[in-house]
Amino acid sequence: DAGVTQSPTHLIKTRGQQVTLRCSPISGHKSVSWYQQVLGQGPQFIFQYYEKEERGRGNFPDRFSARQFPNYSSELNVNALLLGDSALYLCASSLVGQSTDTQYFGPGTRLTVL
Amino acid sequence: GQNIDQPTEMTATEGAIVQINCTYQTSGFNGLFWYQQHAGEAPTFLSYNVLDGLEEKGRFSSFLSRSKGYSYLLLKELQMKDSASYLCAVSDLVDYKLSFGAGTTVTVRA
Repeated sequence: DAGVTQSPTHLIKTRGQQVTLRCSPISGHKSVSWYQQVLGQGPQFIFQYYEKEERGRGNFPDRFSARQFPNYSSELNVNALLLGDSALYLCASSLVGQSTDTQYFGPGTRLTVL
Repeated sequence: GQNIDQPTEMTATEGAIVQINCTYQTSGFNGLFWYQQHAGEAPTFLSYNVLDGLEEKGRFSSFLSRSKGYSYLLLKELQMKDSASYLCAVSDLVDYKLSFGAGTTVTVRA
């Protein structure tokens, strides 16, 4: 079975622009979470979605938004990009998003903001 | 909130054993995960502990003490490919999120 897939792999944007990142979960998984990982740090939680509903939100500004589609894939949108948004954005899927579910990570999207 | 601490770096020799400690303070603990992350790659799942005690999976073992807010990951018979960052992550009962430590970079030397 295919794992979690993300697109694009790399992205370069300039300050003020908007970006959309995409994620497809493992087949059968209904929950998707998004994380931001800055170099040298652990991933930081941004959002969790389950059955198209937002279940959790981390400490990120409103410039960050996401949604989940009926096929359980997800998009993360970031508006008005700042230099500090440069990071690896990771998507993780789990069966139903319970706290005891293992989250499986995709390869990530490397975003560079110039 | 959560406060998760783990050492920044560790170095060990091929074939040796290394123990990576993780301490945490959290309001809604519901399990602890260990992930391995090679440079430039995504984290991969290693282990999950929710009850006190030791979980063994081949060369890797993970231990949890809920009363002490403490866990460790034990890597035995180290191989060069084990050089990576090891992330301790606490699962929150209420928020459904994983809170990660900063990671421990393990370097295996010949």
